[in-house]
Amino acid sequence: GAVVSQHPSWVICKSGTSVKIECRSLDFQATTMFWYRQFPKQSLMLMATSNEGSKATYEQGVEKDKFLINHASLTLSTLTVTSAHPEDSSFYICSAYTPPGTQYFGPGTRLTVL
Amino acid sequence: QKEVEQNSGPLSVPEGAIASLNCTYSDRGSQSFFWYRQYSGKSPELIMFIYSNGDKEDGRFTAQLNKASQYVSLLIRDSQPSDSATYLCAAMEYGNKLVFGAGTILRVKS
Repeated sequence: GAVVSQHPSWVICKSGTSVKIECRSLDFQATTMFWYRQFPKQSLMLMATSNEGSKATYEQGVEKDKFLINHASLTLSTLTVTSAHPEDSSFYICSAYTPPGTQYFGPGTRLTVL
Repeated sequence: QKEVEQNSGPLSVPEGAIASLNCTYSDRGSQSFFWYRQYSGKSPELIMFIYSNGDKEDGRFTAQLNKASQYVSLLIRDSQPSDSATYLCAAMEYGNKLVFGAGTILRVKS
């Protein structure tokens, strides 16, 4: 089956620092990757859609200058949380889309901002 | 606002029983539907997807779709304690984005 990896799996950082999360599709090429955020006991919230070679499309209410997304290749997308604050602490999950319509999720990155 | 609704549960079933999970969606234009399982602290894992009206079976799992009623369900036969998790129903919308329900907590008691 399709495998998606994320790195790091968890990260603790100080308030004001930036954190980069990588999402890789290991055995397939993904023209589209998605980034989600999940708070405790809540469902997944789509943050943005990342298409290879083009600018990401952000969902309403998501600050594009705070959550920088780069999709430089068909197997790699990165999410950078800039100037992180405690309210950004969450579980960040990426998914990679493969036709005809399935999204496979990475294992997630747990971010804690102190 | 496109929505997917699920009963949050928890749904408790005894080991070996059939667990029935239900989901309704608001966008009549949705064509593809997905069931994911999510264990606590983990990311979602794809169980099944269904595009056509009727039933689709995969091992102990059967997905059912009724587009006229805008209703999707997942049946888990011979439920095991390891099936205890949150089950997420999702509908695909424009741009291959998924709209998720809030999830149903399933507890299988041994």
